[in-house]
Amino acid sequence: KAGVTQTPRYLIKTRGQQVTLSCSPISGHRSVSWYQQTPGQGLQFLFEYFSETQRNKGNFPGRFSGRQFSNSRSEMNVSTLELGDSALYLCASRPGGMYEQYFGPGTRLTVT
Amino acid sequence: AQSVTQLGSHVSVSEGALVLLRCNYSSSVPPYLFWYVQYPNQGLQLLLKYTSAATLVKGINGFEAEFKKSETSFHLTKPSAHMSDAAEYFCAASQGNQGGKLIFGQGTELSVKP
Repeated sequence: KAGVTQTPRYLIKTRGQQVTLSCSPISGHRSVSWYQQTPGQGLQFLFEYFSETQRNKGNFPGRFSGRQFSNSRSEMNVSTLELGDSALYLCASRPGGMYEQYFGPGTRLTVT
Repeated sequence: AQSVTQLGSHVSVSEGALVLLRCNYSSSVPPYLFWYVQYPNQGLQLLLKYTSAATLVKGINGFEAEFKKSETSFHLTKPSAHMSDAAEYFCAASQGNQGGKLIFGQGTELSVKP
């Protein structure tokens, strides 16, 4: 089975722009979670989607949003980028009824 | 609020020595617990999980962890370190009603000396 895939792997944006990141979960997994990883704050939960509905949300500003499609693929969007948004963004999926999450390789976002 | 604490941001061992990475959780209800490993420029790989079935959990690459409710701990061990074990290790927890939300510890970077 193919793992979680994320595109693009690397991205450079300018402050004030917006960005969209994509995540394709493992086949059959309907839950997708997003995390931000920075040296200062570590790994922080952004949100979780299940069957196209946001089930849980972390403590991030409204500039961070996401959605999930009927095929379970998910996107996250960050508007009005700030320098502090530079981070590795990780997507993870999990099978129904289970608690372990399987992570993708991440998207490295650099905001200049 | 639930929290996860990893003691020691950096641990260094010699090749062949015991690896011990410490993790404590803070929760009135025992959560589901996980250990992940991250190699440079990669995502997180699941090493092992505790989901209340057995207190001693065996994972991949020779790692194991023991859940101790009385100590609210879930320490990761490996009897004999290998150079390829050098990486960053994260302990994580989730509660049953928020299964899609993992709370991570700060991470422990493991160095293995030849």
